[in-house]
Amino acid sequence: DIQMTQSPSTLSASVGDRVTITCRASQSISGWLAWYQHKPGKAPKVLIYDVFSLESGVPSRFSGSGSGTEFTLTISSLQPDDFATYYCQQYNTYSPTFGQGTKVEIK
Amino acid sequence: EVQLLESGGGLVQPRGSLRLSCAASGFIFPNYAMSWVRQAPGKGLEWVSTLSGSGGSTYYADSVKGRFTISRDNSKNTLYLQMNSLRAEDTAVYYCAKGGQLGEAFDIWGQGTMVTVSS
Repeated sequence: DIQMTQSPSTLSASVGDRVTITCRASQSISGWLAWYQHKPGKAPKVLIYDVFSLESGVPSRFSGSGSGTEFTLTISSLQPDDFATYYCQQYNTYSPTFGQGTKVEIK
Repeated sequence: EVQLLESGGGLVQPRGSLRLSCAASGFIFPNYAMSWVRQAPGKGLEWVSTLSGSGGSTYYADSVKGRFTISRDNSKNTLYLQMNSLRAEDTAVYYCAKGGQLGEAFDIWGQGTMVTVSS
């Protein structure tokens, strides 16, 4: 299986900060990478798919970039609603895998 | 409105069985692959299984292969997960998700149903 490694595991930030989360794949996954936001007790929500594409209804402060094995999720100006756990996920194989998650906390 | 609603979770003893259901609405159910993803307490998301729209292709994580069976009834817009030989490590919130085929993200998720395996 392809291993997905996120960094950092936890991130403390303030409202208005620019936040970047990195995801590294153990082998090339072409353009098949998504980012999800997950809050306790709620359904996970897709933010970005196919590395760069913003899901309909997701604010433009979220953006994705990268290629091959290294990818990033950027939140340009952190808002109160953005405090959550974020996961990357590859879907380049029949065994999709998630990163371990990055918890974005209030500083 | 596109919606997925899981049911069937609960407390079950080790080596027991449970069947989860996921009722879909708001999209053409037979046209899409469907999946189950779980989250154990304090852990991250783990893909469990995917079933093609026609039901002809199934995929399982190694951790559940031979114990879990994914199926669907396209006439009822419902996805199922039959879980047998349950273990303590299967304790998790189980989410139903739309998508999961090669090249497909999970674009719609249900709220989840809790499965607890304990004596």
